[in-house]
Amino acid sequence: AQSVTQPDIHITVSEGASLELRCNYSYGATPYLFWYVQSPGQGLQLLLKYFSGDTLVQGIKGFEAEFKRSQSSFNLRKPSVHWSDAAEYFCAINFGNEKLTFGTGTRLTIIP
Amino acid sequence: DTEVTQTPKHLVMGMTNKKSLKCEQHMGHRAMYWYKQKAKKPPELMFVYSYEKLSINESVPSRFSPECPNSSLLNLHLHALQPEDSALYLCASSQDDREGYNEQFFGPGTRLTVL
Repeated sequence: AQSVTQPDIHITVSEGASLELRCNYSYGATPYLFWYVQSPGQGLQLLLKYFSGDTLVQGIKGFEAEFKRSQSSFNLRKPSVHWSDAAEYFCAINFGNEKLTFGTGTRLTIIP
Repeated sequence: DTEVTQTPKHLVMGMTNKKSLKCEQHMGHRAMYWYKQKAKKPPELMFVYSYEKLSINESVPSRFSPECPNSSLLNLHLHALQPEDSALYLCASSQDDREGYNEQFFGPGTRLTVL
């Protein structure tokens, strides 16, 4: 069965610390992978995407993600978080059809 | 222009009202989507329009009626809603829904409250 999992419901990090948000999927091939961010009451903004090529992809706002086929993972990272990064982060996957399948999301809280 | 706009931002309606949500994009995208998002949950797909034709209806109740008058506009007509329909309604568009690598661009959403 095709699925996407974000194991961490809520993560708290200190401003300036590094961040890694996890995303795992279940699929027999390489899907199309996306990370979106959503601030409270707002729409979703695309941070980055991967579908082929270099497995380390750079996105906006200083985020990057690494695709690891052997682990079926697409984890999002940022070396130093800012208070403005506090938001909900969704991993989303297209398994080769018209639909995006979203993970349950990870809420990021930044403490001073 | 890489923006998807949605109106209104907020909408409060009674269970007997008829209202419409509007979505617009001028990126030349040929696929448009409606999602429903409850608090602390991911977006749930409702409808997909591809080249102005309804291609996916995720078993949405008939009190929600989508319409795509042209390639830039998408409407969602609401009638006889229930309080549990209160949610953030998101519109999105993409170049083409047949290619999975095309990212979806989301609008800011309409916050709907049904009394």
